[in-house]
Amino acid sequence: DAKTTQPPSMDCAEGRAANLPCNHSTISGNEYVYWYRQIHSQGPQYIIHGLKNNETNEMASLIITEDRKSSTLILPHATLRDTAVYYCIVRVTGTASKLTFGTGTRLQVTL
Amino acid sequence: GAVVSQHPSWVICKSGTSVKIECRSLDFQATTMFWYRQFPKQSLMLMATSNEGSKATYEQGVEKDKFLINHASLTLSTLTVTSAHPEDSSFYICSAEWGRGIETQYFGPGTRLLVL
Repeated sequence: DAKTTQPPSMDCAEGRAANLPCNHSTISGNEYVYWYRQIHSQGPQYIIHGLKNNETNEMASLIITEDRKSSTLILPHATLRDTAVYYCIVRVTGTASKLTFGTGTRLQVTL
Repeated sequence: GAVVSQHPSWVICKSGTSVKIECRSLDFQATTMFWYRQFPKQSLMLMATSNEGSKATYEQGVEKDKFLINHASLTLSTLTVTSAHPEDSSFYICSAEWGRGIETQYFGPGTRLLVL
């Protein structure tokens, strides 16, 4: 699976948009971009995934560049409960495909 | 939808004893489940892939005789830590795969194991 690079930490004011970048310059054509987050002492929570088109759900938006070498997860109105470690993972499609977790970005939402 | 539970949420045991952790997919059937381990201030590390009705596939460096995995049904996988030692103390997390066409892993809340 392709490797991803994320900034180790970011801060965001509550109510503002949190934009979390991810670089995946070696991504292959059959690899999706997945985002998970892990709130302290809990299991990871699935957020969103995409292949090449931008995606939006009730939690976040995912913007993937045209060359697919990078993406940005957007939390439109961050709250204190969004404080977590966010993981960007690229993964081939298909059953039993592994997720390889990197170090992620620790997002701190502040008042 | 896609809820995964784990039991117990935490366990304390004496060195040398065995501990069983259950992972259940509550509202879907999962042919494939995964077991991860996470040490303090580190990221998740995949231990093994569990397939219903067949033997688990272990990652390099994970002792299959120490970490016994059973996936006897489409909604239940168990991880047994045999003869646990203090170095096995960790946060164990399972995930179950669900989706049509594009499978997504959904994670349980984790089990914190402390071996004294």
